[in-house]
Amino acid sequence: DADVTQTPRNRITKTGKRIMLECSQTKGHDRMYWYRQDPGLGLRLIYYSFDVKDINKGEISDGYSVSRQAQAKFSLSLESAIPNQTALYFCATSDFKGELFFGEGSRLTVL
Amino acid sequence: GESVGLHLPTLSVQEGDNSIINCAYSNSASDYFIWYKQESGKGPQFIIDIRSNMDKRQGQRVTVLLNKTVKHLSLQIAATQPGDSAVYFCAENRGRSGYSTLTFGKGTMLLVSP
Repeated sequence: DADVTQTPRNRITKTGKRIMLECSQTKGHDRMYWYRQDPGLGLRLIYYSFDVKDINKGEISDGYSVSRQAQAKFSLSLESAIPNQTALYFCATSDFKGELFFGEGSRLTVL
Repeated sequence: GESVGLHLPTLSVQEGDNSIINCAYSNSASDYFIWYKQESGKGPQFIIDIRSNMDKRQGQRVTVLLNKTVKHLSLQIAATQPGDSAVYFCAENRGRSGYSTLTFGKGTMLLVSP
């Protein structure tokens, strides 16, 4: 089983719909992250959490929100999806040293 | 614009050649760097890391070189194989020590021909 699991792996939705991407991990790490990947733009940080009571905005947090339900769970929400949020989304975890361990990604298409 | 960003730098090599992928980083205060490999349809995977108190680190078939003077990082892959074909990202940590996050470069595509 994967150490970092994302659901759903693929989702097609319409403009204005609320979407939640979920992430769970079995690595026992305190730190969790959500990144967005667009072709040719690399990975950009949306939100991160260093422990259950900690939430921080990343580089591109507008239009997104997160919830850290437990040490092992970190979900990303799009309250009202728009087409330019079409992208590949990655959840990641790390310990204090900083190496990131990524999930397999969730491909979101907003029509 | 978005259309320019779609075109990743690409390095094409023959199987068995050595490959060198370069990365310029921006923050002179960054003290930890990582190279990741991303195969099609998968999440990025750790290859090798280096701290700023070193200028070279070797792994299995890979070497990372760090030049802090010009803020340059390189990944050398020896005897490149078709399975090395992927997009490679460098990442640097930024922020307060112990509470930093990784910032990624835009990536380089490596294509290995048999």
